[in-house]
Amino acid sequence: NAGVTQTPKFQVLKTGQSMTLQCAQDMNHEYMSWYRQDPGMGLRLIHYSVGAGITDQGEVPNGYNVSRSTTEDFPLRLLSAAPSQTSVYFCASSLLGGDSPLHFGNGTRLTVT
Amino acid sequence: EDKVVQSPLSLVVHEGDTVTLNCSYEVTNFRSLLWYKQEKKAPTFLFMLTSSGIEKKSGRLSSILDKKELSSILNITATQTGDSAIYLCAPTMNYGGSQGNLIFGKGTKLSVKP
Repeated sequence: NAGVTQTPKFQVLKTGQSMTLQCAQDMNHEYMSWYRQDPGMGLRLIHYSVGAGITDQGEVPNGYNVSRSTTEDFPLRLLSAAPSQTSVYFCASSLLGGDSPLHFGNGTRLTVT
Repeated sequence: EDKVVQSPLSLVVHEGDTVTLNCSYEVTNFRSLLWYKQEKKAPTFLFMLTSSGIEKKSGRLSSILDKKELSSILNITATQTGDSAIYLCAPTMNYGGSQGNLIFGKGTKLSVKP
């Protein structure tokens, strides 16, 4: 009964470092997505995927890469961290079909100094 | 450009008050409207609205969609301190059968004082 699992929960990076935020779901959901949440800005979509091998950009994709090699996993890569990427990151998943709500992970709080 | 506006952005009430939160949207190929509650961690799902004028209810919370006005309201009656949270709305779109590019509003921060 794990749902959507994100790791790590907290991370501090120095400017220029790279890292990968992990996201896994065990609900056999085709759709997965990454959001960032900043104060006063709501949830902004970074990238999403509608199935293994398929990814697309959301609202704020710059500085981030994703891949979807399996249905279960959807990692988010920061190539060269910048202070502007300090945020809380949420991974979410759902069934395809348009009438299924998103299930969210518990988030990763990232600080870039 | 797709747009979602929530109002008010923040609201402070006392326990027992009734509140109405608003969500208006402009999106292409609208399918449904989602409401979420976010406390300290991840947003949790409240309602999905697909038909105009049909109220969905869960305890003291209810919500209704007006497709003509491109808006939805979320009502909370007899508020409790546990209702303090950020309430988020998001319209879904028909996009290859998935929710695709799901855009959220900035949210309404509700604070309920004892």
